Amino acid sequence: QKEVEQDPGPLSVPEGAIVSLNCTYSNSAFQYFMWYRQYSRKGPELLMYTYSSGNKEDGRFTAQVDKSSKYISLFIRDSQPSDSATYLCAMSGDKIIFGKGTRLHILP
Amino acid sequence: GAGVSQSPSNKVTEKGKDVELRCDPISGHTALYWYRQSLGQGLEFLIYFQGNSAPDKSGLPSDRFSAERTGGSVSTLTIQRTQQEDSAVYLCASSFNPGLGGETQYFGPGTRLLVL
Repeated sequence: QKEVEQDPGPLSVPEGAIVSLNCTYSNSAFQYFMWYRQYSRKGPELLMYTYSSGNKEDGRFTAQVDKSSKYISLFIRDSQPSDSATYLCAMSGDKIIFGKGTRLHILP
Repeated sequence: GAGVSQSPSNKVTEKGKDVELRCDPISGHTALYWYRQSLGQGLEFLIYFQGNSAPDKSGLPSDRFSAERTGGSVSTLTIQRTQQEDSAVYLCASSFNPGLGGETQYFGPGTRLLVL
């Protein structure tokens, strides 16, 4: 079993829809959970960062961590074409592991 | 500088040649990381520096790969006798504090390496 699993997509949704992106993991030692956004031909940039279980909201973005299920989510409300990118989950304890990324297309 | 810079942005080389990739971290960042990103494979950790030393080299895929950092700043990733499977985007990141847990990493734009 891989340490981090993430559906690669692509995921296409209409503008204005709510987007749900997810990752599962197997290592219970992970304590920090992150979401990065990567535009084409750019490096990843940190979107959201959470520690332990719970929800964290930042504007249209909400990150959710469920440590009991080893499942994390990123929700994007009122999605915009500019949200079209690859979203990578990442988690760390003594080392950082990235998911493969989900390609998201917001259709105008 | 405003962010992490990497050079060259693109590199095409022939199989068997050596290549050097450079990373300039954000000024004042003590930690520096190298990753490799292949199509559909996500980010693969290669090596991490704290200052000039590398506490974790576990991700280097073979002894053809090496990296150094001088003056606690610029880092160079060297790939000797390149192979076609080395073709990927090589990303560098830096962070203010050392450690791989809970520290925001700022990424450069990457070097796209193509080995023919």
